[in-house]
Amino acid sequence: GENVEQHPSTLSVQEGDSAVIKCTYSDSASNYFPWYKQELGKRPQLIIDIRSNVGEKKDQRIAVTLNKTAKHFSLHITETQPEDSAVYFCAASNSGGYQKVTFGTGTKLQVIP
Amino acid sequence: IAGITQAPTSQILAAGRRMTLRCTQDMRHNAMYWYRQDLGLGLRLIHYSNTAGTTGKGEVPDGYSVSRANTDDFPLTLASAVPSQTSVYFCASSDRGGSDTQYFGPGTRLTVL
Repeated sequence: GENVEQHPSTLSVQEGDSAVIKCTYSDSASNYFPWYKQELGKRPQLIIDIRSNVGEKKDQRIAVTLNKTAKHFSLHITETQPEDSAVYFCAASNSGGYQKVTFGTGTKLQVIP
Repeated sequence: IAGITQAPTSQILAAGRRMTLRCTQDMRHNAMYWYRQDLGLGLRLIHYSNTAGTTGKGEVPDGYSVSRANTDDFPLTLASAVPSQTSVYFCASSDRGGSDTQYFGPGTRLTVL
């Protein structure tokens, strides 16, 4: 089955700096890579996703890059703000049929004002 | 109901007792999932259902069972609870399975003593 590794487990940045979270996956058939944000005590919510037919996707201050050859993908947050503080999860799945999503172990991001 | 709901919000349970966690969605999504979230381990899939009438095992199914009698409901049952099942449980749903956005419920915090 799929195995997703996520690094780092914790990350502290100064407000306004950039944050990068990296994930690797094992199943070359995976072609859908979502990122979820979970604020303290809340449920995970999708913030951005990317499919294997593109290498990069941006949404305002958030971007995701995908390298299918190396089987890794990354989340980039620019101009970080205190409200970006949360746990971020990467995930991978194969869209062929109703496939399960495998999550990484999460990165706790702290943005220091 | 708007979205996906879970009940109870929290529960303290004696070991050996039977417990059913409830999950209901009103989005007419085909796929539903149960995850457990433990510190440092991320979200681990317990069971899933691609459509009403079908279920499948996830990464950590032992000690848990599910049913999917209709599209809206996906209860999770612990037949005889053990302390290692202490966790936060999230139900989720998606329209087209693993390659689509997952919408999470608010979670159930379960403590088994």
